[in-house]
Amino acid sequence: DAGVIQSPRHEVTEMGQEVTLRCKLISGHNSLFWYRQTMMRGLELLIYFNNNVPIDDSGMPEDRFSAKMPNASFSTLKIQPSEPRDSAVYFCASRPHSGVAGELFFGEGSRLTVL
Amino acid sequence: AQKVTQAQTEISVVEKEDVTLDCVYETRDTTYYLFWYKQPPSGELVFLIRRNSFDEQNEISGRYSWNFQKSTSSFNFTITASQVVDSAVYFCALSEADAGGTSYGKLTFGQGTILTVHP
Repeated sequence: DAGVIQSPRHEVTEMGQEVTLRCKLISGHNSLFWYRQTMMRGLELLIYFNNNVPIDDSGMPEDRFSAKMPNASFSTLKIQPSEPRDSAVYFCASRPHSGVAGELFFGEGSRLTVL
Repeated sequence: AQKVTQAQTEISVVEKEDVTLDCVYETRDTTYYLFWYKQPPSGELVFLIRRNSFDEQNEISGRYSWNFQKSTSSFNFTITASQVVDSAVYFCALSEADAGGTSYGKLTFGQGTILTVHP
């Protein structure tokens, strides 16, 4: 089975531009998590969904960030307008609803650089 | 609030040495799960092991073993006979669970320990 698929793997953009990161869940999984990794703050949970419904978005930094799950297998994380401090690796992860123990399966990450 | 602390920022060993990575956690919940993840230089996060709060039995899986002690809120991870390919950043993580033992899925990660294994 294919794992969690993220795109793009690398993105370099200029301050003020809109950035859209994409994630395809593992088939059969119905919980979706967006994490951000930086040297200063480590791995932080931004938002997570169960069955397409956002459950906890308390980690979303500010209104410039938004996440959607338009269907059961796909999610986007949008930053508009982007700022240099948004530079980080953004990870998407999924897990099956039936997964009692809760280990997450991560994508390979999207490395964002905002100049 | 949950918190995971990995006091060791970096560890350097020579191949074939055993190495233990420390993890201490804080949670108010009585039911929770603990995990170790590995992040090799390629950048992906790879799930290694998990342990639930109501099972303190320690286990060995190949070269990996873990020591879960609820009394000291510690979940240490040992690699026996380390290899160069073990060089990576290792993350300890915590997930709270409901009364039925089902994890909420939201992981709180420690800051990570950089392990370098020299040939």
